[in-house]
Amino acid sequence: AQSVTQPDIHITVSEGASLELRCNYSYGATPYLFWYVQSPGQGLQLLLKYFSGDTLVQGIKGFEAEFKRSQSSFNLRKPSVHWSDAAEYFCAVGATDSWGKFQFGAGTQVVVTP
Amino acid sequence: EAGVAQSPRYKIIEKRQSVAFWCNPISGHATLYWYQQILGQGPKLLIQFQNNGVVDDSQLPKDRFSAERLKGVDSTLKIQPAKLEDSAVYLCASSLYSLAGTGEQYFGPGTRLTVT
Repeated sequence: AQSVTQPDIHITVSEGASLELRCNYSYGATPYLFWYVQSPGQGLQLLLKYFSGDTLVQGIKGFEAEFKRSQSSFNLRKPSVHWSDAAEYFCAVGATDSWGKFQFGAGTQVVVTP
Repeated sequence: EAGVAQSPRYKIIEKRQSVAFWCNPISGHATLYWYQQILGQGPKLLIQFQNNGVVDDSQLPKDRFSAERLKGVDSTLKIQPAKLEDSAVYLCASSLYSLAGTGEQYFGPGTRLTVT
């Protein structure tokens, strides 16, 4: 079975600074990888996903993520954070041998300071 | 395009009472999911439907939780009787097609359940 770990529970970043959120997964084959964002009181919204091909994936809201097979990682980045990026971010892994079975990480809470 | 609808948005009940949540997925989406999200944790899949059949309910506490999707469209999740540890946000999601995990899931706003 697959698993996913987000090592950082909470990150504080200044507006305009860069942001990187870490995600490590465990799976025997190439997984499907996702990043979702959840604003307070809202459902989850997909930021980006990786299935195959180019390991650098571009998403919405200026986010990107890089799949590194050797490190079993799929870290999320944004060059310049806006106050509206304050939210909780979830990495998720889907197994290629199952029907859409997703395993979410515990999430990283991002706080943006002026 | 209308999103995933859920109701109610909030519910407060006492332990041992029963509660039901409703979800209407995006039109045409064959796959429907129910997740439980406890405060400070990521969503945990409870049950997944493909049309009106159950694909995965391995993490559903079947002694107290039940779910149905009778006509392959909307779905109901029920808890009977509720326990304090059931306090959580219950999220519904849908996707067009989910073979091998490729279907992008669209989430509803969730139902926040408080059991006192």
